[in-house]
Amino acid sequence: GQNIDQPTEMTATEGAIVQINCTYQTSGFNGLFWYQQHAGEAPTFLSYNVLDGLEEKGRFSSFLSRSKGYSYLLLKELQMKDSASYLCAVRPLWDYKLSFGAGTTVTVRA
Amino acid sequence: DAGVIQSPRHEVTEMGQEVTLRCKPISGHNSLFWYRQTMMRGLELLIYFNNNVPIDDSGMPEDRFSAKMPNASFSTLKIQPSEPRDSAVYFCASSHSDRGSNQPQHFGDGTRLSIL
Repeated sequence: GQNIDQPTEMTATEGAIVQINCTYQTSGFNGLFWYQQHAGEAPTFLSYNVLDGLEEKGRFSSFLSRSKGYSYLLLKELQMKDSASYLCAVRPLWDYKLSFGAGTTVTVRA
Repeated sequence: DAGVIQSPRHEVTEMGQEVTLRCKPISGHNSLFWYRQTMMRGLELLIYFNNNVPIDDSGMPEDRFSAKMPNASFSTLKIQPSEPRDSAVYFCASSHSDRGSNQPQHFGDGTRLSIL
């Protein structure tokens, strides 16, 4: 199975940058996904990484190091609407399911 | 395009009653996933189907839970009899899956279930 760890909570100021770390342990790996979930809503897909390196999508970037079992999600130019839970999820090798971390609740303050 | 459609959005019922949750995946998606989310346990995979066939039901808590996918456009998750500890948000998600692909899962709005 997968053992996925991410911080429980983070707080940052509007306009700042926040980095959410995710570490995982898995016997086989085929991709890491990041989802955003606003309170009372469904998770929505943000990004995925399969190869080592940085993937950038506007204000959001995600990084992966397969050898270290480590990923981070970088949120730049924070806005109030970025206050949400961010879920790290791992897809095992030759499987379709995702194993989700407990999520990191990010609070953006004015 | 329509996303994943779940019904009902909210369900409140008394313990012992049968509960049926419904899901219509995105057209063309061949994998369907049922999740349960609680504060204590986070987002847990209950069961998933690929091409209408159940692949992994190891997350189904006990025999009171059952799921079916009679065709590519419809799935149900049934709890019988229901218990207060089943209270949670139940999400359905779908994706287009094949070996080696990394298509994301798309989630429905969820069913908020309260068992009294």
